[in-house]
Amino acid sequence: QQQVKQSPQSLIVQKGGISIINCAYENTAFDYFPWYQQFPGKGPALLIAIRPDVSEKKEGRFTISFNKSAKQFSLHIMDSQPGDSATYFCAASRDSGNTPLVFGKGTRLSVIA
Amino acid sequence: GAVVSQHPSRVICKSGTSVKIECRSLDFQATTMFWYRQFPKQSLMLMATSNEGSKATYEQGVEKDKFLINHASLTLSTLTVTSAHPEDSSFYICSARDPARPGGETQYFGPGTRLLVL
Repeated sequence: QQQVKQSPQSLIVQKGGISIINCAYENTAFDYFPWYQQFPGKGPALLIAIRPDVSEKKEGRFTISFNKSAKQFSLHIMDSQPGDSATYFCAASRDSGNTPLVFGKGTRLSVIA
Repeated sequence: GAVVSQHPSRVICKSGTSVKIECRSLDFQATTMFWYRQFPKQSLMLMATSNEGSKATYEQGVEKDKFLINHASLTLSTLTVTSAHPEDSSFYICSARDPARPGGETQYFGPGTRLLVL
């Protein structure tokens, strides 16, 4: 049973465009939703995270939109750049992060010039 | 952000030998560390949760006698792959939390260790 479903599996975006990655979760006890960026051969790095008490959070070019009733959240990357080309993982956990993260399967983003 | 290091970054060993991977939190104390395994082009799979001073909690299907975890201090956790086999070849990544830090739910990941068993 996959608790966090992520789509699309891969994404190609033109430089300057908007990259959108979606995730859906099943466990209503989840209360912490981070997004991680991973480059090949490296560990994941936290990009941005959100809690269910807000519907949107923005940090620079990265925005999380959160829909509690639909149990969905998404990552928007504005003005996408070739340097954003990486694999992105959504995740979720319970108890304010005291429990392990459950990861989505990842989205491989390619930003082309 | 907090810094987590791993050593070694890459290791090649013969089948049947044991390999130890270290995970250190460099600028904070981590009461909880997590160990993940990642196969090529796949997501991170949690192997175990390591709490300082107590036994690790292993995920279903992970052999605790094969993957020995020791969290002896607030800044160091080790994963020992015993009697390694080629199917253990993978990318092993640790993460750590600092509950005392604002946003203490954040998990900071190490750079990973590439294990190749011949």
